[in-house]
Amino acid sequence: AQTVTQSQPEMSVQEAETVTLSCTYDTSESDYYLFWYKQPPSRQMILVIRQEAYKQQNATENRFSVNFQKAAKSFSLKISDSQLGDAAMYFCAYRRDDMRFGAGTRLTVKP
Amino acid sequence: ETGVTQTPRHLVMGMTNKKSLKCEQHLGHNAMYWYKQSAKKPLELMFVYNFKEQTENNSVPSRFSPECPNSSHLFLHLHTLQPEDSALYLCASSRVGGGETDTQYFGPGTRLTVL
Repeated sequence: AQTVTQSQPEMSVQEAETVTLSCTYDTSESDYYLFWYKQPPSRQMILVIRQEAYKQQNATENRFSVNFQKAAKSFSLKISDSQLGDAAMYFCAYRRDDMRFGAGTRLTVKP
Repeated sequence: ETGVTQTPRHLVMGMTNKKSLKCEQHLGHNAMYWYKQSAKKPLELMFVYNFKEQTENNSVPSRFSPECPNSSHLFLHLHTLQPEDSALYLCASSRVGGGETDTQYFGPGTRLTVL
């Protein structure tokens, strides 16, 4: 079974600074998809960014970018110029046949 | 945030009650999912429906019964639940086989408390 590991239960960052959230996964497949989702307190889980495993180029969405290392099975999320609204739980997810989620990282943004 | 809706948002029920959770997606998707989110645990996939047909049931107890009458609606019928079933239940939808490559979009969830 594919597993997704987020080794940082909690992280904090100063407003306007950069933070990187870690994610590793275990798979024997070569074709799959990876996602980062954000779940603010008492609010809806929303997609932050997605990456197709066959693409070597790292995905970016405005202030959010990933560092996808396929051989190392690593998929970290970098948040640049952190804002107070970035405070949330962040979930890394892997999808081949079904979706597997990590346990999440709680990000706090300090003003 | 209105692409996938869930009702009710909060539900408190006794162990002998019967209740249903409802999910509706307005995104034209053809697959729908139920997840359970418990504190400090990864999201657990419960059920998957593709084109209204159940394709996955991840060893979920029979006290949870899903229903998918059409590709836009998904229900989770609850009966004789246990306190450990208290959790946030999330619904999601996606387009299977389309250009979005199965990106799942989530509803706001139903916070269930079983007394």
